[in-house]
Amino acid sequence: EDQVTQSPEALRLQEGESSSLNCSYTVSGLRGLFWYRQDPGKGPEFLFTLYSAGEEKEKERLKATLTKKESFLHITAPKPEDSATYLCAVQAGNSGYALNFGKGTSLLVTP
Amino acid sequence: GAGVSQSPSNKVTEKGKDVELRCDPISGHTALYWYRQSLGQGLEFLIYFQGNSAPDKSGLPSDRFSAERTGGSVSTLTIQRTQQEDSAVYLCASSPKSGSYNEQFFGPGTRLTVL
Repeated sequence: EDQVTQSPEALRLQEGESSSLNCSYTVSGLRGLFWYRQDPGKGPEFLFTLYSAGEEKEKERLKATLTKKESFLHITAPKPEDSATYLCAVQAGNSGYALNFGKGTSLLVTP
Repeated sequence: GAGVSQSPSNKVTEKGKDVELRCDPISGHTALYWYRQSLGQGLEFLIYFQGNSAPDKSGLPSDRFSAERTGGSVSTLTIQRTQQEDSAVYLCASSPKSGSYNEQFFGPGTRLTVL
């Protein structure tokens, strides 16, 4: 059975304190790994798609990386506006086109 | 351009009543998905549409749940005889075409509360 596990469940950082969020996955035939950001009361906002091990993508203070077993979302010098829940999802070869989501990491960045 | 829209944004109903939730995908997007997000749980896949057909209904939790899509655009998720465990945020997403490697863009969701 496909599994997606995110850690930590919650993370509190001071502004400027860099850190990483982890997404571990077990799937049959990874088609793609997706990162989303979700603000309270809103739908998930797409950030990145990674397709193969070794791939990296960047957007402003965020950088996503992928290995054969996990993905990291690195946050460099975060700002309070980066506070949100970050969701990881995988699309697997045996699950059609549905995304299988982890439970997310709730990030709070304090001034 | 306009994103995915959903209505109503909030719905409170009594146990046993039927509810209809609506999704308007991004114009031109042929693939449409419904997910459910319960408190403390991750997003849970419900159903996928390609055009007006639903090749994957594997996530629908019971036969009380059904969905349709008309004109390759608007979709309606219907829950019959609602139960308290149906309380959740129902999210709709669309993507430009079916298949892998296509990002799914989400709407704001409908928060359903069953009393």
